[in-house]
Amino acid sequence: EAAVTQSPRNKVTVTGGNVTLSCRQTNSHNYMYWYRQDTGHGLRLIHYSYGAGNLQIGDVPDGYKATRTTQEDFFLLLELASPSQTSLYFCASSSGDQDTQYFGPGTRLLVL
Amino acid sequence: SQWGEENLQALSIQEGEDVTMNCSYKTYTTVVHWYRQDSGRGPALIILIRSNEREKRSGRLRATLDTSSQSSSLSITAAQCEDTAVYFCATESSSNMGYKLTFGTGTSLLVDP
Repeated sequence: EAAVTQSPRNKVTVTGGNVTLSCRQTNSHNYMYWYRQDTGHGLRLIHYSYGAGNLQIGDVPDGYKATRTTQEDFFLLLELASPSQTSLYFCASSSGDQDTQYFGPGTRLLVL
Repeated sequence: SQWGEENLQALSIQEGEDVTMNCSYKTYTTVVHWYRQDSGRGPALIILIRSNEREKRSGRLRATLDTSSQSSSLSITAAQCEDTAVYFCATESSSNMGYKLTFGTGTSLLVDP
């Protein structure tokens, strides 16, 4: 079974705070993704990457940065957190098209 | 049905009934994924259907794909309580920027005993 882990699992910060969400996959997958999930919107893609050092902009990138330091590790950065970024964040990995995306357990972020 | 600005649809059925969830999508795709998400967990793939398949079965699940009408459906036969979950369809798109999925808004299914 493919493995994707996320940390922290829960995070509370204040408006204007700096937050880093971490994701690690041990599947040797090229692709990694960051999504946010909000009621009524399903999962929306923030950023993704198809290899170390690569970064692609997703569908809702405003206010987020990301960095893929190795094949295994993908980070999501909120440098000036806002209450609108309160959400459930999922990381996923995949070997490529027509293949499964494997999701992590999620990080719940609350911005006060 | 689910997609885009549509609100999350909720379905409630009795155990043993059949149910079908529909998905309409706006951009061209040759592959539709169906994921289920259990409470407190990340989504997990349950069935993937390609444009050359039109219909695909996996146990009590049946997926269809009609690229001409840009729609897909997921049916569950004789639903069980453990089928209670949120179900998402997702379409693939590929470009020189790689491959990504676009998810629908989801259908919340409750199966009562």
